[in-house]
Parts: sequence; C-alpha cells; structure tokens
Amino acid sequence: KAGVTQTPRYLIKTRGQQVTLSCSPISGHRSVSWYQQTPGQGLQFLFEYFSETQRNKGNFPGRFSGRQFSNSRSEMNVSTLELGDSALYLCASSLAGGKTGELFFGEGSRLTVL
Amino acid sequence: SQQGEEDPQALSIQEGENATMNCSYKTSINNLQWYRQNSGRGLVHLILIRSNEREKHSGRLRVTLDTSKKSSSLLITASRAADTASYFCATAGDQTGANNLFFGTGTRLTVIP
Repeated sequence: KAGVTQTPRYLIKTRGQQVTLSCSPISGHRSVSWYQQTPGQGLQFLFEYFSETQRNKGNFPGRFSGRQFSNSRSEMNVSTLELGDSALYLCASSLAGGKTGELFFGEGSRLTVL
Repeated sequence: SQQGEEDPQALSIQEGENATMNCSYKTSINNLQWYRQNSGRGLVHLILIRSNEREKHSGRLRVTLDTSKKSSSLLITASRAADTASYFCATAGDQTGANNLFFGTGTRLTVIP
C-alpha cells in the first residue's frame, strides 16, 4: 500500500507570492491533517479535513487555507507569502475515527520564501 | 499553548547504551504518542499509549505515562547508530471527531557507533 505522497518536495518562492501544496493520503484514509514545522516554533497543527470538510483548525492566519477533494486528496494554499512562512509542511493521513489515533506522515514539502 | 516539552533537548550516547527521553504536557489527554523524525524527513509513528495505560512495550521501546504528573517517558534499549533521529511526543485531546496532535519540542538523539 502506497504511503502518503506530498508534492512538490522542495520549492522556492518570493515574498508576496502564493503557493499550493498537494497531499495524497493512504488509500482508504479519509482524514488529512497539515502541520507546519519550523526550527523556532516546532510542529504546529494547521488544519484537518475529513470528507471534504474542515473539521479542525489551528491558530494560523487566514492566509493559510486548505481543501479536500472527494477522493480524499488535499491541498493547502498560502497566499501573500512572508519570510516566516519558510518551513517544512507535513501532511498526515489517518482512518476516520473519533479520537486521534496513529497518523501517517508524508515526507513533507520544504518551502523557502526569499 | 498546548505544546508539550521534552527533555533533554539533545542526547548523545554510545551504541548499546539505553536512551531515555521525557515529555511533559499541559492538558488532559486521550492518548500520547511518540514519533521519530530523521533529519528533514517525515515523522514515523513509534507507539501510542492511552490515558488509562501506564506502560507499554514495543520491541526495544518502552513508554510510560503518568497522567497525574502529565508526563511520559520513552526508553530505547540497546541503542543502535540507526536510532539517531529526533523524537517527538504528541498528545491527542479528548475532542471527538478531530484528528490533531500537539507535539512536543523534540529530543535530538545521537547514537555514536
């Protein structure tokens, strides 16, 4: 069974641009979560989607948004990029469930904002 | 912030020794999980311990949980060079219908061959 796939793996953008990152979850997994990892703030929860609906959201500005498609694939978008958005963005998928169980992470998309 | 804290921040040991990492958290939890991350890569799930459990084993891993102290520890026995990585604890709250984890700050483990 294929793991969680994130694309692109690396990208460089300039301030003010926008970026879209993609995540394909493990087949059968309906929940997709996104996390931001930076040296200063560590791993922070961005949002979670389940059955095309945002079920939970972390404490990030509205420039960060996401969506989930009917095949459970998810995208996240960051508009008006700032230098501080440089980070490793990790996607994780899991089976639907009431309480958080094991998450399966992709390799991440490393975003550099210049 | 609900983020937990881990100590030590960094740990360096010789191959064959045991490594112990500690995690403290702030809120009530449903479960606590440990993840491993090789440099710049994705996280790999190691073990999950539920709030009503006190100890759990998986291979060379032993996890304890003390909910009264809001703390957990991860013990890796007979360490190997391949265990070199960052280790994170993560807590899952009691909220139903949501999959989000609050991660600790991580412990960077170096195992010297």
